[in-house]
Amino acid sequence: DGGITQSPKYLFRKEGQNVTLSCEQNLNHDAMYWYRQDPGQGLRLIYYSQIVNDFQKGDIAEGYSVSREKKESFPLTVTSAQKNPTAFYLCASTSRDIQYFGAGTRLSVL
Amino acid sequence: AQSVTQPDIHITVSEGASLELRCNYSYGATPYLFWYVQSPGQGLQLLLKYFSGDTLVQGIKGFEAEFKRSQSSFNLRKPSVHWSDAAEYFCAVGPLLSGGYNKLIFGAGTRLAVHP
Repeated sequence: DGGITQSPKYLFRKEGQNVTLSCEQNLNHDAMYWYRQDPGQGLRLIYYSQIVNDFQKGDIAEGYSVSREKKESFPLTVTSAQKNPTAFYLCASTSRDIQYFGAGTRLSVL
Repeated sequence: AQSVTQPDIHITVSEGASLELRCNYSYGATPYLFWYVQSPGQGLQLLLKYFSGDTLVQGIKGFEAEFKRSQSSFNLRKPSVHWSDAAEYFCAVGPLLSGGYNKLIFGAGTRLAVHP
């Protein structure tokens, strides 16, 4: 089955630690996105990538980093510089102007 | 600036009743409009989309939405709600970028509760 796989489903971060969220898609989509979701705020764009080895900052990129070494993969690192990382993180990819979403990763701070 | 407003944070309806979720947008050009649904702890699922043509669009699960350019609205409707429709609903507008990819702007969401 084609789709977008995010892992892990739950993740806990210790203070000062970097953590990486995985996003893999087998839909052969070129563009991929990372969103952060907080209660009552909808989705906010962190980073997006149209092609391999290229990515752009979204609206709230500070404290986050990404890479796009393969078309299928777009991992997100939440760095220690992100002081309020507790949120639900969603990965998406695009085909014909429609964004398809993974099931999300919930990140909490220990 | 482009924006999406969903005026209702929470809505409660009885099972079998009709539903309308409101969405207003601010966008400089002809928008692409979307409605997504999210069950708790899950990703977003596309309900329907409007790109052009007929302003009344049909989606999955019996939902429909009407694009009204004069009112800058794209309200979601369902004639008879089922208990399984309880979820959070997001309206989104785009694209803001060209080249086959887009950058959607999402509303804050409307949480729907369904009473038996």
